[in-house]
Amino acid sequence: NAGVTQTPKFQVLKTGQSMTLQCAQDMNHEYMSWYRQDPGMGLRLIHYSVGAGITDQGEVPNGYNVSRSTTEDFPLRLLSAAPSQTSVYFCASSSLGGDNSPLHFGNGTRLTVT
Amino acid sequence: SQQGEEDPQALSIQEGENATMNCSYKTSINNLQWYRQNSGRGLVHLILIRSNEREKHSGRLRVTLDTSKKSSSLLITASRAADTASYFCATDAINDMRFGAGTRLTVKP
Repeated sequence: NAGVTQTPKFQVLKTGQSMTLQCAQDMNHEYMSWYRQDPGMGLRLIHYSVGAGITDQGEVPNGYNVSRSTTEDFPLRLLSAAPSQTSVYFCASSSLGGDNSPLHFGNGTRLTVT
Repeated sequence: SQQGEEDPQALSIQEGENATMNCSYKTSINNLQWYRQNSGRGLVHLILIRSNEREKHSGRLRVTLDTSKKSSSLLITASRAADTASYFCATDAINDMRFGAGTRLTVKP
């Protein structure tokens, strides 16, 4: 079982460039989310989705777009990269139940914006 | 904003000792979860405790929850060098799980 797969592992962008971080899961999970992790800040939720065709904003959505056309995939788009978006990005998924099920995380994408 | 806050920020112990990490949170919760993160990797779920539970065990892990004080603790008994990692508590809002900044645990062999 691959679980949650994120690509690429590392990326360097120049300010103003755009790119898409890929996330795929093979566990048939309804819920998928994107977090960014910065030193001393823990993980902050960017966007999440509770199923195909449904997305919503988290705590820090500005500068990021998402879409959920299939259950398996949940790409994160940076529209115009800024140095403040230098971070480690994690995708996570879980099944939806009566209360929150544990999140399964990918191994992250380390993004540097110069 | 962060919901959970772990304490201490860093903890260094010898192999075989117990490690205790604490988590405080601000609003009512349905459950609280603890996760572990090895350097350069994603988080891995350790244990979930529901708001109507006071204590839960899993192997060498013991978690307590005090909803009146809005706090939880994670105890790792008989620690091993392989337990070296960062540990995070996470509290749930509907579809919005909030994490603290974590406790960095170092277990010296």
